[in-house]
Amino acid sequence: EVQLLESGGGLVQPGGSLRLSCAASGFTFSSNAMSWVRQAPGKGLAWVSSINGGGDDTYIADSVKGRFTISRDNSKNTLYLQMNSLSAEDTAVYYCAKRWGKTFDYWGQGTLVTVSS
Amino acid sequence: QSALTQPRSVSGSPGQSVTISCTGTSSDVGGYNYVSWFQHHPVKAPKLMIYDVTKRPSGVPDRFSGSKSGNTASLTISGLQAEDEADYYCCSYAGSYTWVFGGGTKLTVL
Repeated sequence: EVQLLESGGGLVQPGGSLRLSCAASGFTFSSNAMSWVRQAPGKGLAWVSSINGGGDDTYIADSVKGRFTISRDNSKNTLYLQMNSLSAEDTAVYYCAKRWGKTFDYWGQGTLVTVSS
Repeated sequence: QSALTQPRSVSGSPGQSVTISCTGTSSDVGGYNYVSWFQHHPVKAPKLMIYDVTKRPSGVPDRFSGSKSGNTASLTISGLQAEDEADYYCCSYAGSYTWVFGGGTKLTVL
């Protein structure tokens, strides 16, 4: 059974940093591209970033470019999202998702990031 | 990219059919046959219901179907059931390994 478990969310001050993790199990992690998608309060889903299985190709949304970095550790079956220079607009539930072709077939339950002073 | 446009809400009675639209541009919905639909119950993980415009993952009832015409994709749910009540999001590949989602549609089963 595919399982994705996000962690690392919490309350952070504007300008601060946070690193999210997503522990994966139930599939061959290193063979699969992964992504982060977020949902701000009362808003729809928004794609944030994607990374290929090997970790050497990454893609990032313009809204977070230069501030967020996606990475992975295939030896630990874990996906990461390093978030710097956070602002209130980054407040959201962050989901990790397994990419499958040009869609996302499995998602975690999300971790809440709140940026507030 | 701008979010895809979905109606904020739709509703239907058990047994009826509802259709949710998703309008984008020629750079996303109209440019690729890679539209997906996700069902999202609050505090649960989103669930893939339709991918590549019309395909259903295994385990998804055939009451769910997808289509596309030009820059607008649609999700149709026939034989509505109470358990279908949820938020539904469309998503389109937008090229260069980027994706754009819709704002979400709340489906109410009356």
